[in-house]
Amino acid sequence: AQSVAQPEDQVNVAEGNPLTVKCTYSVSGNPYLFWYVQYPNRGLQFLLKYITGDNLVKGSYGFEAEFNKSQTSFHLKKPSALVSDSALYFCAVREGGATNKLIFGTGTLLAVQP
Amino acid sequence: DVKVTQSSRYLVKRTGEKVFLECVQDMDHENMFWYRQDPGLGLRLIYFSYDVKMKEKGDIPEGYSVSREKKERFSLILESASTNQTSMYLCASRSGTGNSGANVLTFGAGSRLTVL
Repeated sequence: AQSVAQPEDQVNVAEGNPLTVKCTYSVSGNPYLFWYVQYPNRGLQFLLKYITGDNLVKGSYGFEAEFNKSQTSFHLKKPSALVSDSALYFCAVREGGATNKLIFGTGTLLAVQP
Repeated sequence: DVKVTQSSRYLVKRTGEKVFLECVQDMDHENMFWYRQDPGLGLRLIYFSYDVKMKEKGDIPEGYSVSREKKERFSLILESASTNQTSMYLCASRSGTGNSGANVLTFGAGSRLTVL
């Protein structure tokens, strides 16, 4: 069965420090991987995606993610965290076959302290 | 610049009531989805639709039904609300053209339903 795991419920980081939010996946075939962010009382917003090509993907708000096929990971990173980055982050993987549904992880709450 | 609109941000209903959650998108997207979001469980797919009048069950369809009579509107129906359906409900849409699996979901702001 295809799945995605976010092993950390919460990540705490000081403003200005680098941040990493972890994601691992399990799919058959080539993975399509996504990161979405949810600010308080808002819907999800798209950050970035990996479909094919360069393993390092750059997205919105200075975020980037690295696709690692051997480790089946797609960790979200940012060189210097901002307090305004505090939000709930979701990793998602496309389920193969005709449906093209997205399977979401359980989410990681990022808290950036000033 | 609102693209996916969910008609109600907050609803409070009583057990056994019929509940309608409405979602409208203005991007002419073919695909539409209903998720529920619960702490520690992430987003779980309830139903989705690839086109008008078409619907497919997601991972947790029990207790729910949907309607898609027009391309822009996708309604979620709780026939008889129960307390375990208290949750945040998120609607999303996606273009179905090209490689739809690579296309991005656009979400509405969510509808927080409380069933007493």
